[in-house]
Amino acid sequence: QSALTQPRSVSGSPGQSVTISCTGTSSDVGGYNFVSWYQQHPGKAPKVIIYDVTKRPSGVPDRFSGSKSGNTASLTISGLQAEDETDYYCCSYAGGFYVFGTGTEVTVL
Amino acid sequence: QVQLQQWGAGLLKPSETLSLTCAVYGGSFTDHNWSWIRQTPGKGLEWIGEIHHSGSTNYNPSLKSRVTISVDTSKNQFSLKLSSVTAADTAVYYCARNANSGYYFDLWGRGTLVTVSS
Repeated sequence: QSALTQPRSVSGSPGQSVTISCTGTSSDVGGYNFVSWYQQHPGKAPKVIIYDVTKRPSGVPDRFSGSKSGNTASLTISGLQAEDETDYYCCSYAGGFYVFGTGTEVTVL
Repeated sequence: QVQLQQWGAGLLKPSETLSLTCAVYGGSFTDHNWSWIRQTPGKGLEWIGEIHHSGSTNYNPSLKSRVTISVDTSKNQFSLKLSSVTAADTAVYYCARNANSGYYFDLWGRGTLVTVSS
């Protein structure tokens, strides 16, 4: 059960869009529409920002969006803001258990 | 407002058993599954396992041989035991609530740092 693969870091200027990929296999990301994304600020617990590939919990800004194609899921942050600079993790249901991604650090230039 | 409060020993020696407990305050305990998740600097987040209020469990296959998750519905608590710990088990351990509308975690505890060192 290998971790899902994410880029170590991505960056963008304020107002730009960035996309974080999350690559798994047909046994996890590709096999279920149960990918979630978490935002984690330093020293804090993760917070869900996307679930079921594309859905946003109430209170999460609509500049966060999710998608999936085959074995790769993606998180897009549109209109990047300074407060978005932190770590992001994907997670997929894998049939009886869950697999997390390796994590991506987003830097706002 | 639902809160998760967790506690347990923060320093262990190799071969000892890690023991953590998470209490659920302010919400329904029986409407959800409950999970343990850990975070290490080197491996990021790792799901350890989950428990239903009935006591049924699912574990991460990579940890299954060493993990036991139990529940005490009278106290709205669930617990984690991880046996034969090594330095590789050093991590921040989180308890979390599985959302009842899907396969994700919608509420997390604050985390407990567990260090394994001789």
